[in-house]
Amino acid sequence: EAQVTQNPRYLITVTGKKLTVTCSQNMNHEYMSWYRQDPGLGLRQIYYSMNVEVTDKGDVPEGYKVSRKEKRNFPLILESPSPNQTSLYFCASRSGTAGEQYFGPGTRLTVT
Amino acid sequence: AQRVTQPEKLLSVFKGAPVELKCNYSYSGSPELFWYVQYSRQRLQLLLRHISRESIKGFTADLNKGETSFHLKKPFAQEEDSAMYYCALSAYMEYGNKLVFGAGTILRVKS
Repeated sequence: EAQVTQNPRYLITVTGKKLTVTCSQNMNHEYMSWYRQDPGLGLRQIYYSMNVEVTDKGDVPEGYKVSRKEKRNFPLILESPSPNQTSLYFCASRSGTAGEQYFGPGTRLTVT
Repeated sequence: AQRVTQPEKLLSVFKGAPVELKCNYSYSGSPELFWYVQYSRQRLQLLLRHISRESIKGFTADLNKGETSFHLKKPFAQEEDSAMYYCALSAYMEYGNKLVFGAGTILRVKS
């Protein structure tokens, strides 16, 4: 089944403790993105990647890192999480520049 | 700069009533617009895109370039339509197209 998977689905952590949210897609898509979803703000792009080893900042990249060492994986790294990063995070992928975007199930992160 | 505006945070209608979810955009190029839907506890999924001009689950959306709008409509709302709806614009960037989302509108269909 074609899909985007994320792990973990739920995470509660403390300020400053490094964490990684994994994202994987099995559709051989070139383009992958990370978004955060906050009430009243909708979906905001954090980082995106056009292909392996090619990444760039989205609209709200501060406090986040990403890597794209393999085509299928696009982990999101929070080196020193802070409470304002408490949010619902979505990974997404699509083929080419204008194809349909497929979303992961979301990761609900709480930073205390 | 590209921007998508959904003016209503919440739209509440009765079952069987018509629905119109508003979306306005700002973009200097030729727009490509989408509606995504997120049902409770599910991932976002594509509902429809303007270039396909199709009706999905009874929903339609027409691109009006003069009014820079892409409103989502359904003549008779059903309870299963209750969800969060996002309007999105595909904006051309140097390295490919970027999807810009609006803030979303929660649709509640009451029985």
